[in-house]
Amino acid sequence: AQSVSQHNHHVILSEAASLELGCNYSYGGTVNLFWYVQYPGQHLQLLLKYFSGDPLVKGIKGFEAEFIKSKFSFNLRKPSVQWSDTAEYFCAVSNTGTASKLTFGTGTRLQVTL
Amino acid sequence: NAGVTQTPKFRILKIGQSMTLQCTQDMNHNYMYWYRQDPGMGLKLIYYSVGAGITDKGEVPNGYNVSRSTTEDFPLRLELAAPSQTSVYFCASSPASGAEAFFGQGTRLTVV
Repeated sequence: AQSVSQHNHHVILSEAASLELGCNYSYGGTVNLFWYVQYPGQHLQLLLKYFSGDPLVKGIKGFEAEFIKSKFSFNLRKPSVQWSDTAEYFCAVSNTGTASKLTFGTGTRLQVTL
Repeated sequence: NAGVTQTPKFRILKIGQSMTLQCTQDMNHNYMYWYRQDPGMGLKLIYYSVGAGITDKGEVPNGYNVSRSTTEDFPLRLELAAPSQTSVYFCASSPASGAEAFFGQGTRLTVV
């Protein structure tokens, strides 16, 4: 079975600081990787996804993530955070077989201060 | 664009009551999912469906039931509500196995 670990549970940054959120997964086969964002009181929205190809993936709102297969990692980055980035961020993985399901990490709550 | 629609948005149940959380999607997606979200726990899969007439259990199915009679609808049934079922429930759909999921707005359920 696949699993996802997000080691940062709560991160507090000042505006303009750089962000890196860790995500490690456990699965022996080929995976698809995702980062979702949940703004306060809202549903989950896709930030970016990796299926294959260039391991550096760019998403919406200036976010990017790098897939490092040897480390089973898919860390999320942003060079300069804004107050509006305050949200909870979820890493998710799915295998590429039939009837695969998204498995989520426990989430990282990001608080950006002015 | 409606996407994934969940009703109700909020509900308070008494212990032992039953209810159905409705979920409908207009994207013709075969895959549909029910997750529950608890603070600090991420999202846990309750049930999922790969098409009309086909459903299967996820990580935390106890106390819940589902049906999938049409492509569009995937209702979640709670038969005997318990305080442990207090949570936020999200329905999602996906066009294919392993693809990204599109989420509804969620249902906040409190069991007292």
